[in-house]
Amino acid sequence: AQKVTQAQTEISVVEKEDVTLDCVYETRDTTYYLFWYKQPPSGELVFLIRRNSFDEQNEISGRYSWNFQKSTSSFNFTITASQVVDSAVYFCALSATSGTYKYIFGTGTRLKVLA
Amino acid sequence: GAVVSQHPSRVICKSGTSVKIECRSLDFQATTMFWYRQFPKQSLMLMATSNEGSKATYEQGVEKDKFLINHASLTLSTLTVTSAHPEDSSFYICSASREAGPSFQETQYFGPGTRLLVL
Repeated sequence: AQKVTQAQTEISVVEKEDVTLDCVYETRDTTYYLFWYKQPPSGELVFLIRRNSFDEQNEISGRYSWNFQKSTSSFNFTITASQVVDSAVYFCALSATSGTYKYIFGTGTRLKVLA
Repeated sequence: GAVVSQHPSRVICKSGTSVKIECRSLDFQATTMFWYRQFPKQSLMLMATSNEGSKATYEQGVEKDKFLINHASLTLSTLTVTSAHPEDSSFYICSASREAGPSFQETQYFGPGTRLLVL
């Protein structure tokens, strides 16, 4: 079975704080992809990152960084120096070969950044 | 690149009427499009996968006669909610992916969503 768990339902931080959103996944496939999407109040899902199972290199993009650890089946997302515009729901998703490439979404983490 | 549009963004209709939602990939050809439904403060639920020129594949529990999906071209898929009822009120989101490579799945790019309210 494939599953994505985002245990943090809602997180509130004060602007400029760093925040990490957790994502734990389950799959028996050796080839799979992990994604993070941002859903602001407007509703549109914005693609943030895609990572394949053979690339455990961490990635940094501006204030965003991702930590992929196969040993713990985690793909965590950190926002450094958070801003009010980062307030949104963030979804982690898994796509694996045995799932015919369908996305398995986590339940999302609602991030509120307070001014 | 990879922009997906949806139309309408918001629709209110009377119970018993049918509503058509369009999903377009604006700057790429989408071999595969996906339709999702999202209830307030919940995750996305995949309804169906549509491939250009073939019948859509519906997820378990989704009524194919209720939610008609047509993927007539590489840039357009439509979802028609037939005989809509208040319980069909929801946020419907489509996504599109480019033609997959030999063994890898492309990223799904999402449309802005359509809020349907059935009175």
